[in-house]
Amino acid sequence: EAQVTQNPRYLITVTGKKLTVTCSQNMNHEYMSWYRQDPGLGLRQIYYSMNVEVTDKGDVPEGYKVSRKEKRNFPLILESPSPNQTSLYFCASSNRATTYEQYFGPGTRLTVT
Amino acid sequence: DAKTTQPTSMDCAEGRAANLPCNHSTISGNEYVYWYRQIHSQGPQYIIHGLKNNETNEMASLIITEDRKSSTLILPHATLRDTAVYYCIVLPSFGNEKLTFGTGTRLTIIP
Repeated sequence: EAQVTQNPRYLITVTGKKLTVTCSQNMNHEYMSWYRQDPGLGLRQIYYSMNVEVTDKGDVPEGYKVSRKEKRNFPLILESPSPNQTSLYFCASSNRATTYEQYFGPGTRLTVT
Repeated sequence: DAKTTQPTSMDCAEGRAANLPCNHSTISGNEYVYWYRQIHSQGPQYIIHGLKNNETNEMASLIITEDRKSSTLILPHATLRDTAVYYCIVLPSFGNEKLTFGTGTRLTIIP
């Protein structure tokens, strides 16, 4: 089954404790992206990647890092999480040929206390 | 990117066609109309997109007016599982593929 998976689905952590949210897709998609979704602010892009070893900042990259060492994986790293990073996070991927037709993961609900 | 305007909420009876309107009066010639939906706190789901011709797939139909200033998403036989927030967005034919959702239309299917 074609899908985007994220782990963990739920995470409660404390300020400053490094964490990684994994994202993996099995559709051989070139493009992958991370979004966060907050009430009243909608969906905002954090980072995106056009292909392996190619990443770029989205609209809200501060406090996050990403890497794209393999085509299927695009982990999101929070080196020193803060309470303002409490949010619902989504990973998405697409085939470059279909641009905005993106497949989203199920989401990771992160709480930083 | 062109802005879109959608009603905040709509109800539709189960089994009926749900017609969701979207205004995009500032759309430019190379911009597509995309529709996504999001069932409560799940990942957004792509539905359909079009440029100027009407489009249909297994999920829905998209009707775009001749002047391209508005469109309607049609779910032909709505079910309870279609209850979701529906987002209409206008996007250029090229870019970094960033999606930016507005507030959308909260569609409630009534049994």
